[in-house]
Amino acid sequence: QKEVEQDPGPLSVPEGAIVSLNCTYSNSAFQYFMWYRQYSRKGPELLMYTYSSGNKEDGRFTAQVDKSSKYISLFIRDSQPSDSATYLCAMRSSSASKIIFGSGTRLSIRP
Amino acid sequence: GAVVSQHPSWVICKSGTSVKIECRSLDFQATTMFWYRQFPKQSLMLMATSNEGSKATYEQGVEKDKFLINHASLTLSTLTVTSAHPEDSSFYICSARPGTDLGDYGYTFGSGTRLTVV
Repeated sequence: QKEVEQDPGPLSVPEGAIVSLNCTYSNSAFQYFMWYRQYSRKGPELLMYTYSSGNKEDGRFTAQVDKSSKYISLFIRDSQPSDSATYLCAMRSSSASKIIFGSGTRLSIRP
Repeated sequence: GAVVSQHPSWVICKSGTSVKIECRSLDFQATTMFWYRQFPKQSLMLMATSNEGSKATYEQGVEKDKFLINHASLTLSTLTVTSAHPEDSSFYICSARPGTDLGDYGYTFGSGTRLTVV
């Protein structure tokens, strides 16, 4: 079993829809949770980050962490074609510097 | 802030030659840098972790003699693919951990290097 599981998609939704991306994990020691966005042939860019459980909102993006269920989510409201990319969840424990990535979900927003 | 510059962005080399990829933190000091490899439509695979002034720590299955990593300063790490072969063709990405609070979460990534070995 992988430490971090993420549905690879692809996921295609119409412009303006709410997008929900999710990851599950098995390591209860994970404390830092991140979402990265990666455009084709580019390096990942940090989109959202949270510590431990809770929600965090930034513009159209909301990140949620449920440590009891070992489940994290990223919501994108009013999705735009420019949001089309691969979204990678990532996490690490307090004691380790190594980040564990999900496999990434390919998202396509249809105009 | 927290910008990582990676060069070259793409390179084509002949089989048997060596290729060096540079990763620089432009506006911060990075005591720790990471090197990843990414195959098409797949996630990032961590190859090694490098700490300034010490030997890199390689992940299981990564040949340290083939993928030489040097982290000689707080702003520069290099990855050298030695005696490259077509199966080494891939997208290589570095990341650096800022020495700030953001370093707890957001390791900054370079733009990647597409290596093609012919």
